[in-house]
Amino acid sequence: YVLTQPPSVSAAPGQTASITCGGNDIGSKFVHWNQQKPGQAPVLVVYDNTARPSGTPERFSGSNSGNTATLTISRVEAGDEADYYCQVWDSTGAEPVVFGGGTKLTVL
Amino acid sequence: QAQLVQSGAEVKKPGAAVKISCKASGYTFTNHAMQWVRQAPGHGLEWMGWINSVNDNTEYSRKFRGRLTFTRDTSASIGYMELNRLTSEDTAVYYCARQRDDSDAFDIWGQGTMVTVSA
Repeated sequence: YVLTQPPSVSAAPGQTASITCGGNDIGSKFVHWNQQKPGQAPVLVVYDNTARPSGTPERFSGSNSGNTATLTISRVEAGDEADYYCQVWDSTGAEPVVFGGGTKLTVL
Repeated sequence: QAQLVQSGAEVKKPGAAVKISCKASGYTFTNHAMQWVRQAPGHGLEWMGWINSVNDNTEYSRKFRGRLTFTRDTSASIGYMELNRLTSEDTAVYYCARQRDDSDAFDIWGQGTMVTVSA
C-alpha cells in the first residue's frame, strides 16, 4: 500500500496550509499525522482521521474521504514549520504499517 | 507523564550487531504495544516492526526479517531492538514508539538513537 504526499507545501503566517495524503480507498482506513521538527522525534498531532491528542492546538484538523486524507493547519505560525508524515495501518497489505514520504511545510 | 527514553548513540562496524533499549515510564507498560521505526539521514520514516502487549508476539517488516529481533523486559518496562549483520545502509536514527491502546496511532515516541555503521 502506497501513501503519496507532496514533497513541500508553503504558507504565510496566519494563512491556512493543507497537506494531502493520497492512497487507494484511503477513506476506508484510519489516518494518523505526525509532525517532525528538525533534529527532533516525531510527534502525533492528529489520529484516527480527525482526533487530536491532548496538547495539539485546535488549529490542526484532519479529514479523510475517497482517495485523499488531508491535514489542515489554520492560522499557520512560524513554529508549525516541520515535516509532516501521514500513516495508516493496512492489514491487507504486505506491511501493516505504512508511512507517507513526508511533506515539508515552510512558513513564508 | 508517559515517556520513552532510549539508549545512547552507537558506532558499529559492518557485520556487527546493535542492541537499543527503550525504557518506558509514566504508564502501564504491558497495556501498550511497542513499535520501532527508523529514519536514514535526509529520508522519511520507515516502519521496522512491533511487539504486542499481550503475549510478546512480534511482527517484522519483510525488509528486516532474519536479522531483527524485538524483546521486552516487562519487570523493568524496557523494550529492546537488536539488528544483526549491519551494513552502511543501516546508518539511521532508530525510534521506539508507543501504540495507543484504542488506536493504531503512535502517540509517544522515544528521543531516537543514532546508529552509525562505518568501517
